[in-house]
Amino acid sequence: GQSLEQPSEVTAVEGAIVQINCTYQTSGFYGLSWYQQHDGGAPTFLSYNGLDGLEETGRFSSFLSRSDSYGYLLLQELQMKDSASYFCAVQAGTALIFGKGTTLSVSS
Amino acid sequence: NAGVTQTPKFQVLKTGQSMTLQCAQDMNHNSMYWYRQDPGMGLRLIYYSASEGTTDKGEVPNGYNVSRLNKREFSLRLESAAPSQTSVYFCASTLGREKLFFGSGTQLSVL
Repeated sequence: GQSLEQPSEVTAVEGAIVQINCTYQTSGFYGLSWYQQHDGGAPTFLSYNGLDGLEETGRFSSFLSRSDSYGYLLLQELQMKDSASYFCAVQAGTALIFGKGTTLSVSS
Repeated sequence: NAGVTQTPKFQVLKTGQSMTLQCAQDMNHNSMYWYRQDPGMGLRLIYYSASEGTTDKGEVPNGYNVSRLNKREFSLRLESAAPSQTSVYFCASTLGREKLFFGSGTQLSVL
């Protein structure tokens, strides 16, 4: 089967950097994705790593190590609007399986 | 270009009633998914359809059925609703597997 582990909660202050880790166990791994979800909203795509290494998109970066079954999402220059839930997800065959999510609270 | 459209947005059912959640996408995507989201449980995959004409069970398929009516539409049916099916349901679609586009969700309460 598949499993993903990520911290349930992270807190930080505006302007800080935060890293959300994700470890996974799955068969037929293709890649690791990250999604953001604000309260009451739908998840929205942030980034995808199909190969080892770092992908950067503005203030957000995502990293993957396939040999360690590990990835992380790095959020820089945190803003209040970054307060949300963040989900890692793995492609397992033709399905996409999500972790339970990390709630990020950003304070001023 | 509406993206992924789900109906209804809210629904209240009595135990034992049936209903169908509708989902349509206008992005010509091959794959479509149904997830449920419960507090502290993340998004759990109910069923998915990798392409028109195929459907597969996900992590929590019991009590649900699906129909991939055509490339655009993927419906989720609850034959006999139970309180344990109270949840927020999301439909999603993707062309490949890297980036899912989600609908706005259906909040379902089963009394």
